[in-house]
Amino acid sequence: DQQVKQNSPSLSVQEGRISILNCDYTNSMFDYFLWYKKYPAEGPTFLISISSIKDKNEDGRFTVFLNKSAKHLSLHIVPSQPGDSAVYFCAASRSGSARQLTFGSGTQLTVLP
Amino acid sequence: DVKVTQSSRYLVKRTGEKVFLECVQDMDHENMFWYRQDPGLGLRLIYFSYDVKMKEKGDIPEGYSVSREKKERFSLILESASTNQTSMYLCASSWRQTTNYGYTFGSGTRLTVV
Repeated sequence: DQQVKQNSPSLSVQEGRISILNCDYTNSMFDYFLWYKKYPAEGPTFLISISSIKDKNEDGRFTVFLNKSAKHLSLHIVPSQPGDSAVYFCAASRSGSARQLTFGSGTQLTVLP
Repeated sequence: DVKVTQSSRYLVKRTGEKVFLECVQDMDHENMFWYRQDPGLGLRLIYFSYDVKMKEKGDIPEGYSVSREKKERFSLILESASTNQTSMYLCASSWRQTTNYGYTFGSGTRLTVV
């Protein structure tokens, strides 16, 4: 049973436009959410995170939105750049779990020049 | 530059072999993790350790064991490799109560079992 789901395996966006990556979760105990980016032949790298006490966190071109009632979060990238092409993983954790992360299946983002 | 180092980028092993995957971190992190990444399944947790000589099973521990004799080193052992263990293996580490930055991952080991 996947507790963190990314239902879109791939997304293509034109350079300069907005990329929106979506993630749903089922475990209401999750209270911290993260996005990771992964290039081929490299390990995932941390991108941005959000605590459940917030509904938005912004870092430069990247913004994460959290809708707790819908158990949904999204990552917005504006403007999208070709270097953003990568696999994006959503992850969630809950307090007291040694911050063990549960990951989604990933979305391959391709930004077209 | 802090990092997590996995000893091999690519490995090819035969069915039935005992396989060791090594991971070393230089950040004095308490927690260490082993994940495997498969298409359509994302990252799945095999084992993790929150202290020396301590280990906990993750979601898919069958066919694997781990060893953590020193804080900086976490080894994943495939007792008898099988073709369904062909995968990308990722090691990660973090503070016990992780910061906003979550895990630091290694570059991964692509294991092929033939």
